[in-house]
Amino acid sequence: RKEVEQDPGPFNVPEGATVAFNCTYSNSASQSFFWYRQDCRKEPKLLMSVYSSGNEDGRFTAQLNRASQYISLLIRDSKLSDSATYLCVVSLGGSQGNLIFGKGTKLSVKP
Amino acid sequence: GAGVSQSPRYKVAKRGQDVALRCDPISGHVSLFWYQQALGQGPEFLTYFQNEAQLDKSGLPSDRFFAERPEGSVSTLKIQRTQQEDSAVYLCASSFWQGSTEAFFGQGTRLTVV
Repeated sequence: RKEVEQDPGPFNVPEGATVAFNCTYSNSASQSFFWYRQDCRKEPKLLMSVYSSGNEDGRFTAQLNRASQYISLLIRDSKLSDSATYLCVVSLGGSQGNLIFGKGTKLSVKP
Repeated sequence: GAGVSQSPRYKVAKRGQDVALRCDPISGHVSLFWYQQALGQGPEFLTYFQNEAQLDKSGLPSDRFFAERPEGSVSTLKIQRTQQEDSAVYLCASSFWQGSTEAFFGQGTRLTVV
């Protein structure tokens, strides 16, 4: 079982739609959680960190459920420019602070 | 520039050839990571450094892969006797410190082994 698993996608949605991505992680000792965005043939870039209390950044809302080892990302009022692959990322922190990536979920927003 | 810089951007190697991939992290960043990304997959962890110390190399797929960061800044990933399955994009990332802060990625080196 992979350490970080995501919906395989692709998600094809019209502009203005609300779309949700889910992610589960296997290591209960994980301490830090992130969503990264990767455009085609580009490097991953941090979209947002994920906090236990949940956090929002404009149209994007991230939530963490430590008990279920589950992370989500909600995108409201999706734009054409949101089309990308969204990567769920966890870290154990400390001396084991390498970032573990999921395979990513591809989102395509259509006019 | 102020970002993570990787070179070369593209490398074509004949099977059996040795290659060296370079990463210049953001100045002052303590942590440096190497990832391998195959087409359609997420980045797979290879190794990471805190300053010059290689704290984790558990992701290196074989002893043909070797990474170093001798002075705690620039890092080199070396692949000996390249094989076709080594073809991938090799991404380098750096962060101010490990684990809980943003990691900044370079544009990667696309390695094709023919």
